[in-house]
Amino acid sequence: KAGVTQTPRYLIKTRGQQVTLSCSPISGHRSVSWYQQTPGQGLQFLFEYFSETQRNKGNFPGRFSGRQFSNSRSEMNVSTLELGDSALYLCASSLEGGDRYFGPGTRLTVL
Amino acid sequence: GEDVEQSLFLSVREGDSSVINCTYTDSSSTYLYWYKQEPGAGLQLLTYIFSNMDMKQDQRLTVLLNKKDKHLSLRIADTQTGDSAIYFCAAIPQTGANNLFFGTGTRLTVIP
Repeated sequence: KAGVTQTPRYLIKTRGQQVTLSCSPISGHRSVSWYQQTPGQGLQFLFEYFSETQRNKGNFPGRFSGRQFSNSRSEMNVSTLELGDSALYLCASSLEGGDRYFGPGTRLTVL
Repeated sequence: GEDVEQSLFLSVREGDSSVINCTYTDSSSTYLYWYKQEPGAGLQLLTYIFSNMDMKQDQRLTVLLNKKDKHLSLRIADTQTGDSAIYFCAAIPQTGANNLFFGTGTRLTVIP
């Protein structure tokens, strides 16, 4: 079975821009969650989607949003980028919120 | 929310056993996980333990859970240079949101 894929793997943006990251879960998995990893804050939960519905959200500003499509693929969007948004964004898939399997991440650099 | 803590660094010699420790605060945590992260990579799920278990063994990996002390450990037997990585402990509390709370990660360095 193919693992979790994330695209793109690397992104460079400037302050004020917006960005969209994509995640394709493991085939058959319906839950997708997103995490932000930074050296200062570590791994922090952003949100979780299940069957196209957001069922859980972390403590991030409204500039961070996401969605899930009918094929379980998910996207997250960050608008009005700030320098502090530079991070590794990790997507995890699971069957129904059980064991989470992570993708390789998207490294976002905001200049 | 849940607070998960780990020591930051551990160095061991190749062939020795490594023990990585983790403490958590929410006694309702149901599942506790260990993930491995190599440089430039995502998180690899190594193993997990359910809260009604004391121990779980999976090849070179042994997980011990002390629920009373809210202490979790990961023992890696016969540690190899390929085990050098950052190891994260993560917990899912039973109450509240169903998401992973991660520790800070322990950087394991294996000395040849």
